[in-house]
Amino acid sequence: EMVMTQSPATLSVSPGERATLSCRASQSVGNNLAWYHQKPGQSPRLLIYDASTRATGIPARFTGSGSGTEFTLTISSLQSEDFAVYFCHQYNNWPWTFGQGTKVEIK
Amino acid sequence: EVLLVESGGGLVQPGRSLRLSCAASGFTFDNYAMHWVRQAPGKGLEWVSSISWNNLSTDYADSVKGRFTISRDNAKNSVYLQMNSLRVEDTAFYYCVKVQGFWSGYYDSWGQGTLVTVSS
Repeated sequence: EMVMTQSPATLSVSPGERATLSCRASQSVGNNLAWYHQKPGQSPRLLIYDASTRATGIPARFTGSGSGTEFTLTISSLQSEDFAVYFCHQYNNWPWTFGQGTKVEIK
Repeated sequence: EVLLVESGGGLVQPGRSLRLSCAASGFTFDNYAMHWVRQAPGKGLEWVSSISWNNLSTDYADSVKGRFTISRDNAKNSVYLQMNSLRVEDTAFYYCVKVQGFWSGYYDSWGQGTLVTVSS
């Protein structure tokens, strides 16, 4: 099974600062990787797909990059609504798997 | 606007059954695969089951294979998850998700989730 490993588990950031989240796949997933965020009490929401394409309505401060086994989500200037848990998801190899999540919290 | 509304969750004893439903609207339902994804309270996400756009292909995570059955009714814009022989470890929020593709892909829309609690 494809294992997706996210780091760090928790990221403490001040509003307005930059956040960099990592996701590593145990084998290549090409660019078949998505990022979601989930706020407390809500369902996940798609941010990035195909490793670097922003979903509809997602602000330009969210940038996805990488391919193969190493991926990064960068939030250029954190806003209050960005504090949430972020998950990566590979849809290249069955079974479809997620990372364990990175919690972005207010510093 | 895409809308996915799950129902059917609740408290059930181990070994019993439950059927989840997901009503979809706002898109051409029979053009897309649908999946179920679950999340134990406070935990991560786990893909559970898939069904193709045309009802011809289904698939399951090893953890539920032989106990869960996915189905869809394109005339009713609905997808279902029949869960039998439920275990304590099946306790989770179950999300219906729209897949950007005929079989697999990223999840561009999620329902609000329905909570299944398996406990004696």
